[in-house]
Amino acid sequence: DVKVTQSSRYLVKRTGEKVFLECVQDMDHENMFWYRQDPGLGLRLIYFSYDVKMKEKGDIPEGYSVSREKKERFSLILESASTNQTSMYLCASSPGGTDTQYFGPGTRLTVL
Amino acid sequence: QKEVEQDPGPLSVPEGAIVSLNCTYSNSAFQYFMWYRQYSRKGPELLMYTYSSGNKEDGRFTAQVDKSSKYISLFIRDSQPSDSATYLCAMSAKANFNKFYFGSGTKLNVKP
Repeated sequence: DVKVTQSSRYLVKRTGEKVFLECVQDMDHENMFWYRQDPGLGLRLIYFSYDVKMKEKGDIPEGYSVSREKKERFSLILESASTNQTSMYLCASSPGGTDTQYFGPGTRLTVL
Repeated sequence: QKEVEQDPGPLSVPEGAIVSLNCTYSNSAFQYFMWYRQYSRKGPELLMYTYSSGNKEDGRFTAQVDKSSKYISLFIRDSQPSDSATYLCAMSAKANFNKFYFGSGTKLNVKP
């Protein structure tokens, strides 16, 4: 079974803090993704990575950056957290060349 | 206009009912179609995946794709209270299969 884990289930941070969300997958997948999920808006892609040290912007990259130093690990960084970044953050991974994405359990981030 | 439209529900049915969940889309290039199930406060889990048109059955679940109408469906037979969740459709095009387009999800409640 594919396993995607995320570092925290719930996180509370203050405005202006730097926030790190970490995702690890154990299936040697090429591709990894970060989404945010908001009521009524569905899932929106923030960034994805198709190889180590490679990244591409998704639909809403503003205010976020990512890091992929190792194949199994993909980090999302909020440089200076703001209240409008309060959301559910979902990490996903997929094997190269296929189209199924496997999701982690999510991190519910609240920015006060 | 959104690429993928999905009725948010909620949809409430009695146990044992047949459930029909649907999505419409506008991009004729979509060829990969997925259904995910998401329990409350959890990440989405892949339920069904179909390529191009036709039907696919897996136990109580049937996924149907009608490309001519740009319409996909998920049928759940003999619905159970454990099926209560939000169901997300997702789709992608062959040229860029890593880019998923998600519906906003339909919340299903199966009453005992």
